[in-house]
This record gives sequence, structure tokens and C-alpha cells, in this order.
Amino acid sequence: TQLLEQSPQFLSIQEGENLTVYCNSSSVFSSLQWYRQEPGEGPVLLVTVVTGGEVKKLKRLTFQFGDARKDSSLHITAAQPGDTGLYLCAGTPGSNYQLIWGAGTKLIIKP
Amino acid sequence: NAGVMQNPRHLVRRRGQEARLRCSPMKGHSHVYWYRQLPEEGLKFMVYLQKENIIDESGMPKERFSAEFPKEGPSILRIQQVVRGDSAAYFCASSRGTAQGKLFFGSGTQLSVL
Repeated sequence: TQLLEQSPQFLSIQEGENLTVYCNSSSVFSSLQWYRQEPGEGPVLLVTVVTGGEVKKLKRLTFQFGDARKDSSLHITAAQPGDTGLYLCAGTPGSNYQLIWGAGTKLIIKP
Repeated sequence: NAGVMQNPRHLVRRRGQEARLRCSPMKGHSHVYWYRQLPEEGLKFMVYLQKENIIDESGMPKERFSAEFPKEGPSILRIQQVVRGDSAAYFCASSRGTAQGKLFFGSGTQLSVL
């Protein structure tokens, strides 16, 4: 069974601090996605990483796909209250259309 | 350019009643996925449909649950004889082709079974 483990499960920090959240697996994924979900809403796709070692930046968010394509990280610089939400990673195991989802990291940024 | 539309947003049912959840995909999208989410958890795949076809229903309970995506109209997730354990948020997502991550989600239906 392929699993994606996200850590930490919960993170509460002050505005302006930096943070990193992780998405780890023992399995290889052909691609991995990061989503942000706000309460009462569906997840919104932030980024898709495909190549081992790939780094993508989205303003203050930096996403990295591990060299072996088994793990990924999301780093946020100078976090803002608007970054508050549930961050979910989801991986595609090969050419299968199904996404394997992590349980998410609940992030709270305090003003 | 409307996104994925789900209705109702909130649905309250008593045990034993039927729940019907609707999902209209984004314009031009012919692939629909249904997910279930419990509080503080990730999404659990239920079923994947294309127009008039169920492609994969491996995540959907064999009993009481059914899904359809007719040629005309929205996709429907139907839960018969609901039980308290069915209470959850049900999300629909659509894509133009097979997912590979390019999924667009609706705002979900929160089902509460009394």
C-alpha cells in the first residue's frame, strides 16, 4: 500500500517566521502535487513537481521534489496570516490516474 | 467561467434516508472524481467517472453507495439508507483528461446524519 506521510500534522507560528513542511513516502511517485485547503472549501492546486530534484517557486513558497521522487517539501518564507490553511500533498503512482493523498499539515499563522 | 459546482453545500439527513449529492464539472471537463474527507484527514478516493461510464469505483463501499455521470446533467453521488458514519465532507473534482494532478475541486457538500 502506498502511503504519503505529512509532517508536522499541526504547526502554529508567528507572522514573519519561516517554516518547512514535509511529505514522505517509501514509494516512488511519477509526480507530486501540493494543495491548500481552507475551511469549508475544496483543495486548490498550488504546484505539480515531476522531475527528481525539481524546485519550484511560487512567490514566498518553495517546493522541492526529492531526487528519488519519494518525498517533497514545502518551504514558506516570511509566513503571513493569509498562508493559514491545510496543506495537502498528493502523489501519482506511475501512470495511474489515482492520486494518493497525505493527511495534511494544518498551518496557522498568527498575526 | 464557472468552476466545479457542488450542491447542496450542506445536507442534513436522518438515519435511513437517502442523500443525493450533485456535481457539475468545469466547462469542457469530462472526468469527474468523488472524494470523501473526514475532519483533520486527507481525501479518500471514492469513484472516478467519465461521461456515462464508471471507470473506477474501488474506493466506494459496495452497498448503499452509487454514482453516475449521465450524458446530460451533473454527476450524482447517491447514498441510500444513510448511517451516522456517512457524515463527512464529500468533494467532487473534475479534469479535462486523466488527472495527473490537474484536478479542480468544488467547495464540497457537508453531509450530516442525525
